[in-house]
Amino acid sequence: DAGVTQSPTHLIKTRGQQVTLRCSPKSGHDTVSWYQQALGQGPQFIFQYYEEEERQRGNFPDRFSGHQFPNYSSELNVNALLLGDSALYLCASSLWGTTNEKLFFGSGTQLSVL
Amino acid sequence: QKEVEQDPGPLSVPEGAIVSLNCTYSNSAFQYFMWYRQYSRKGPELLMYTYSSGNKEDGRFTAQVDKSSKYISLFIRDSQPSDSATYLCAMKANSKLTFGKGITLSVRP
Repeated sequence: DAGVTQSPTHLIKTRGQQVTLRCSPKSGHDTVSWYQQALGQGPQFIFQYYEEEERQRGNFPDRFSGHQFPNYSSELNVNALLLGDSALYLCASSLWGTTNEKLFFGSGTQLSVL
Repeated sequence: QKEVEQDPGPLSVPEGAIVSLNCTYSNSAFQYFMWYRQYSRKGPELLMYTYSSGNKEDGRFTAQVDKSSKYISLFIRDSQPSDSATYLCAMKANSKLTFGKGITLSVRP
């Protein structure tokens, strides 16, 4: 049973560039959430996708956008990168609407902005 | 005040010790409470999941929730060097997780 997979594992970009991160959810899951984890901090919620629509959004600017595909996989896009966007980006998958919904995380994409 | 506060670390204990990790929260909307373990440069791994006040035990791990005091704890018995990791408390409302800052635990052989 494949868990949550993310690509790439590491990425180096320069300020002002754009980046796309990818996520495939755990088998049987239909909901994808994205989190940003800065060094020494807990993950912060960016947004959540279900049925190809953004369902919830955290306190992140519009430079952060996403997409979900019919196969439930998802992309996170960040435009006009800032130094402060350097972080571990985590994807979590779950099954929508379950009472005891549990989120399972991938290993993340480490983004460095120079 | 942050929604979730976690006791600061780092924490270093000898092998075999009992470890107590604690978080407090302020948002009454939180309904589900979790502990995740995170190894360096890896994603968080779900350790314990509970939704009611009281204790939940799984092997050497016990999760405790006190909703009236807005306080959760994770106890690790007979700690092992392999337990060395960062432990994150997380709380859920409306499918969104809010995490504590995390505490790094080191278990010395």
